Amino acid sequence: DQQVKQNSPSLSVQEGRISILNCDYTNSMFDYFLWYKKYPAEGPTFLISISSIKDKNEDGRFTVFLNKSAKHLSLHIVPSQPGDSAVYFCAASARLASSGNQFYFGTGTSLTVIP
Amino acid sequence: GAVVSQHPSWVICKSGTSVKIECRSLDFQATTMFWYRQFPKQSLMLMATSNEGSKATYEQGVEKDKFLINHASLTLSTLTVTSAHPEDSSFYICSARDRQGTFREQYFGPGTRLTVT
Repeated sequence: DQQVKQNSPSLSVQEGRISILNCDYTNSMFDYFLWYKKYPAEGPTFLISISSIKDKNEDGRFTVFLNKSAKHLSLHIVPSQPGDSAVYFCAASARLASSGNQFYFGTGTSLTVIP
Repeated sequence: GAVVSQHPSWVICKSGTSVKIECRSLDFQATTMFWYRQFPKQSLMLMATSNEGSKATYEQGVEKDKFLINHASLTLSTLTVTSAHPEDSSFYICSARDRQGTFREQYFGPGTRLTVT
């Protein structure tokens, strides 16, 4: 049962344009969401997060938007750079759930930024 | 930043043998470590949660007798795949939570590619 879904396995964007990566979740108990970036043969590295009490969090070129009613979040990268090319994972956790602080990951979206 | 290492980075073994994977937090103490498995084109799936000095908690469907986890110190957890079979071939990733950090902070290792022939 996939509780966090990334329906786009891949995305290609021209350098300088905006990249929008989407993520949907099903569990209303999730109260914290994270985006991780992963290069081949490396572990995921934390990129940005958002608490369910917010609807937007911005860090430099990266902005995460949360729509709780739609159970949807998105990561915006502006402007996109070739070095952003990687696989991006969305993750969610529910602190008060019986699973505690377990992270649930999406299947990832492979972003390619074309120079 | 916090660094987590894994060893080996890749391993090939014959069916029926056992393989041990190490996960180390290099510059922080980790009371909790997590073991994930990733199949091609699939998400990271949590296998077990390992707490220092106590037994690991396994997720539903994960065989505890097959995937032995030991968290003997605050900087080391090991995953042993016993009697490995080709279907165990996968990418195994560990993560560690800083003892001093919040429960949200997990730092991932680079992963171990296991191929069972």
